[in-house]
Amino acid sequence: GAVVSQHPSWVICKSGTSVKIECRSLDFQATTMFWYRQFPKQSLMLMATSNEGSKATYEQGVEKDKFLINHASLTLSTLTVTSAHPEDSSFYICSASPLVADTQYFGPGTRLTVL
Amino acid sequence: AQSVAQPEDQVNVAEGNPLTVKCTYSVSGNPYLFWYVQYPNRGLQFLLKYITGDNLVKGSYGFEAEFNKSQTSFHLKKPSALVSDSALYFCAVLGGGNKLTFGTGTQLKVEL
Repeated sequence: GAVVSQHPSWVICKSGTSVKIECRSLDFQATTMFWYRQFPKQSLMLMATSNEGSKATYEQGVEKDKFLINHASLTLSTLTVTSAHPEDSSFYICSASPLVADTQYFGPGTRLTVL
Repeated sequence: AQSVAQPEDQVNVAEGNPLTVKCTYSVSGNPYLFWYVQYPNRGLQFLLKYITGDNLVKGSYGFEAEFNKSQTSFHLKKPSALVSDSALYFCAVLGGGNKLTFGTGTQLKVEL
């Protein structure tokens, strides 16, 4: 149980284009999902907290107009990187928690490369 | 604000030997502590957590962790390491807004 999927697992795009990443909780409902970014050999940096049916809460320094988050249902959250640039290249990971203050289960991650 | 420290960037251990990956925390109130493991180019896999109760927590793949309140530590342990345990290990503490704060990670390398 407690499986989280992400799609795509990797994507290569041209600078200036937008990329959408999906995060799904497959066997549980998640009121809250989280989006992280991880640089090589570094820890995870929380980008935003996504709540079903409401606006996402972004961490300080994260551009909300660049990283659009939508949490349309209790099992799906999407992250759209708009007008991507090479500096946005990174490993993006989502997580979901079935309950408040409980274990977060992580997706397998999406490797984004912007040329 | 809560924080987690993993003082070792890398831990090397021979297969069959016990392993310890260290973690200390700082948090106001009762800590909710977690250990995750990450294999290359993969997301994080949950290993174990401490919420309350017994100080020794048993988790997946034979791992366990000991919560020590006086030393504010939550070290990850395994009695007998396997080569397949080689991975990046993260300690984390849960804070306000259900947000996890991660340590910097410790690379475990188990050699034959």
